[in-house]
Amino acid sequence: DVKVTQSSRYLVKRTGEKVFLECVQDMDHENMFWYRQDPGLGLRLIYFSYDVKMKEKGDIPEGYSVSREKKERFSLILESASTNQTSMYLCASKSLAGQETQYFGPGTRLLVL
Amino acid sequence: DAKTTQPTSMDCAEGRAANLPCNHSTISGNEYVYWYRQIHSQGPQYIIHGLKNNETNEMASLIITEDRKSSTLILPHATLRDTAVYYCIVRFTHEVANFGNEKLTFGTGTRLTIIP
Repeated sequence: DVKVTQSSRYLVKRTGEKVFLECVQDMDHENMFWYRQDPGLGLRLIYFSYDVKMKEKGDIPEGYSVSREKKERFSLILESASTNQTSMYLCASKSLAGQETQYFGPGTRLLVL
Repeated sequence: DAKTTQPTSMDCAEGRAANLPCNHSTISGNEYVYWYRQIHSQGPQYIIHGLKNNETNEMASLIITEDRKSSTLILPHATLRDTAVYYCIVRFTHEVANFGNEKLTFGTGTRLTIIP
């Protein structure tokens, strides 16, 4: 079974703090994604990566950056957390093959005070 | 990606079959139908996908109409653990990674409640 893990289930940070969210997958997937999910707005793509050290902006990259130094790990960084970044953050991974599905981690619920 | 419409909520008695409909009348010929579900406070979970033929796996069955404009997800013997929000999405997939098409876009889905 594919396993995608995220470093924290719940996180509370203060405005202005730098926040790191880690995601690790164990299936040697090439593609990894970071989404945020908010009530009424559904799932929105922040960044994705199709290879080590490669990254592409999604629909809402402002205020975020990412790092993919190893194939299995994709990190999301909030450079200076703000209250509007309070959200559920979901990491996903996927094989390069076209029809393969995305496998999601359990999510990190971040509260920025 | 083609837009989908689903009922906002449904109830189903435990042990009965849960049938969740989805309309995707603007689906194009090379778009697949995918179903995911999300249990409260967890990440989305893939259930099943199909192109035009009916599909079945250990979790569910997917029935796609001949004109492909709608589909039904069937959970044959619903349990309390099947209570979740179910998302139907249609998307184009192809062999070469094209990240404009890779992102998932979930609508509001159907909130399925299994009644004891």
